[in-house]
Amino acid sequence: NAGVTQTPKFQVLKTGQSMTLQCAQDMNHNSMYWYRQDPGMGLRLIYYSASEGTTDKGEVPNGYNVSRLNKREFSLRLESAAPSQTSVYFCASAPPGGRQDYTFGSGTRLTVV
Amino acid sequence: GDSVTQMEGPVTLSEEAFLTINCTYTATGYPSLFWYVQYPGEGLQLLLKATKADDKGSNKGFEATYRKETTSFHLEKGSVQVSDSAVYFCALSPLYGQNFVFGPGTRLSVLP
Repeated sequence: NAGVTQTPKFQVLKTGQSMTLQCAQDMNHNSMYWYRQDPGMGLRLIYYSASEGTTDKGEVPNGYNVSRLNKREFSLRLESAAPSQTSVYFCASAPPGGRQDYTFGSGTRLTVV
Repeated sequence: GDSVTQMEGPVTLSEEAFLTINCTYTATGYPSLFWYVQYPGEGLQLLLKATKADDKGSNKGFEATYRKETTSFHLEKGSVQVSDSAVYFCALSPLYGQNFVFGPGTRLSVLP
């Protein structure tokens, strides 16, 4: 089925470890997004990519890096994980132009101990 | 900047009760408006949307009408079921640019 695929679904890291969250979409969407969701905080945008080859910071970019590998894939990297990065991470994609709806992945639940 | 305000809840209802979740927005121009639903342990799914004033979005018994005069997009359902228990997010997509603006989410619990 067409959609947004995120891997892994669950991950436990020790403080200071690094990891990359993977996201791929097969809908030929131009734009891709990374959000984090924390209790009582709603969804907060970390980084986004409006098109292949471009990335921009969102509301909470500190401690993260991203790579738009190609049109399909958009990865999120934690170079040195901290307990404050314990969260559920969602990737989303959207077609070009304004007023478009997003398609979300099923999420990655990350715990940093 | 653009913003979305919605009642945060939690909202607890008995099965077959009437549901209203209020959502108001502030935006430049005429955004598209959306309701997303997140079931436990899952990602967000599009529930319904409306792209212009007076449009009514509907899906699975849920409805919301784009009211430009009151800048609102309230979610309603006439008779909720236990399976409707989830978190509901109101969101807007600006006319120009693409980044969504989400409300904080409203947790709904429906008791049998």
